[in-house]
Amino acid sequence: TAGITQAPTSQILAAGRSMTLRCTQDMRHNAMYWYRQDLGLGLRLIHYSNTAGTTGKGEVPDGYSVSRANTDDFPLTLASAVPSQTSVYFCASSELAGPGLYGYTFGSGTRLTVV
Amino acid sequence: GQNIDQPTEMTATEGAIVQINCTYQTSGFNGLFWYQQHAGEAPTFLSYNVLDGLEEKGRFSSFLSRSKGYSYLLLKELQMKDSASYLCAVLDSNYQLIWGAGTKLIIKP
Repeated sequence: TAGITQAPTSQILAAGRSMTLRCTQDMRHNAMYWYRQDLGLGLRLIHYSNTAGTTGKGEVPDGYSVSRANTDDFPLTLASAVPSQTSVYFCASSELAGPGLYGYTFGSGTRLTVV
Repeated sequence: GQNIDQPTEMTATEGAIVQINCTYQTSGFNGLFWYQQHAGEAPTFLSYNVLDGLEEKGRFSSFLSRSKGYSYLLLKELQMKDSASYLCAVLDSNYQLIWGAGTKLIIKP
């Protein structure tokens, strides 16, 4: 099925450990995004990439890093996890930079609990 | 600061009509999106409004008034599968999406 694949689906991580959340899309979209979703808050942008080889910081980038080596993959790394990074993480993509007329396509999310 | 306001939760009856409101104060405006998100799933695109007025798509319609900073999503002939959260998002002058916290819609038989 075409779209965005995120892995893992869920994870419990010890504080201080590192982890990479994987995101792969097969739609040949140029732009990709990482969001976190917390109860009572809107989706918040962590990092984005408008095209392969470029990345940018979103609203809440601290503690996270990304890379965009090719069009399809956009991994998100937590170098040293803290409990405040407990959240649901969504990867999204769009054909061009910005949501256009049809918004973003989202992956199914990764539920991360940092203990 | 930028702000998107939506009711936290609404309840409606199967077969009825419900209107979910969204008000916004943002630095500029380049369009407003509505998404549906079922519990534990990804948000999915419902509608996009950039001009004032009503856009109809089957049982769902979305309205925009830019002068009032206001939009609503209208759901008709409610079905149990419409139980979900509905997210409002505004594209600001920097072409950044600003998201509301979402409205959880509960449908009762």
